[in-house]
Amino acid sequence: DAKTTQPNSMESNEEEPVHLPCNHSTISGTDYIHWYRQLPSQGPEYVIHGLTSNVNNRMASLAIAEDRKSSTLILHRATLRDAAVYYCILRDRSNTGKLIFGQGTTLQVKP
Amino acid sequence: DGGITQSPKYLFRKEGQNVTLSCEQNLNHDAMYWYRQDPGQGLRLIYYSQIVNDFQKGDIAEGYSVSREKKESFPLTVTSAQKNPTAFYLCASSILTPGLVFYNEQFFGPGTRLTVL
Repeated sequence: DAKTTQPNSMESNEEEPVHLPCNHSTISGTDYIHWYRQLPSQGPEYVIHGLTSNVNNRMASLAIAEDRKSSTLILHRATLRDAAVYYCILRDRSNTGKLIFGQGTTLQVKP
Repeated sequence: DGGITQSPKYLFRKEGQNVTLSCEQNLNHDAMYWYRQDPGQGLRLIYYSQIVNDFQKGDIAEGYSVSREKKESFPLTVTSAQKNPTAFYLCASSILTPGLVFYNEQFFGPGTRLTVL
């Protein structure tokens, strides 16, 4: 399974954009990049995913480097409710559907 | 409302006792998963099931057992053989599009926090 590397923690001010980086230098051509987040004492929730092109949804944007060795999750305006652990996950084309979680990035949002 | 329910939220057991954690979903999903999370760590896969009456071991299946007698239910039993059972247990489900399992979003339940005394 390809691995991802994320900073252990980041801080942001409320109402400001947040860029959460993820390195995945061993990514294969068919691996999808998924992001999940986990609020304290809750189960993870899906945020966004992409393959090659940048992606936008109501929660966030995903910017993928041209060589696909890194990606960045962008929260356009951080709120206190965005304080969570953010996981960057590579999903291969196996049929298990399993998610391989790393330690993720703990995002703190300051008022 | 559609979703995944896990019960109970908190569970305390004595060492050496088996305990069963409940997971029910009404999303009509074929695939269901059990993960374990230790403090400050990411989730690790225990077991998963893609169809009724069938399931596969994940990365840390030793000391655990599951059953899938109904599509909507996937209970996990933590047996006395599990050396360090105290953890946060999360159940998830997803649709199962053939050839696209890697693509589909997983929906998670609220979790059960198991403490073995």
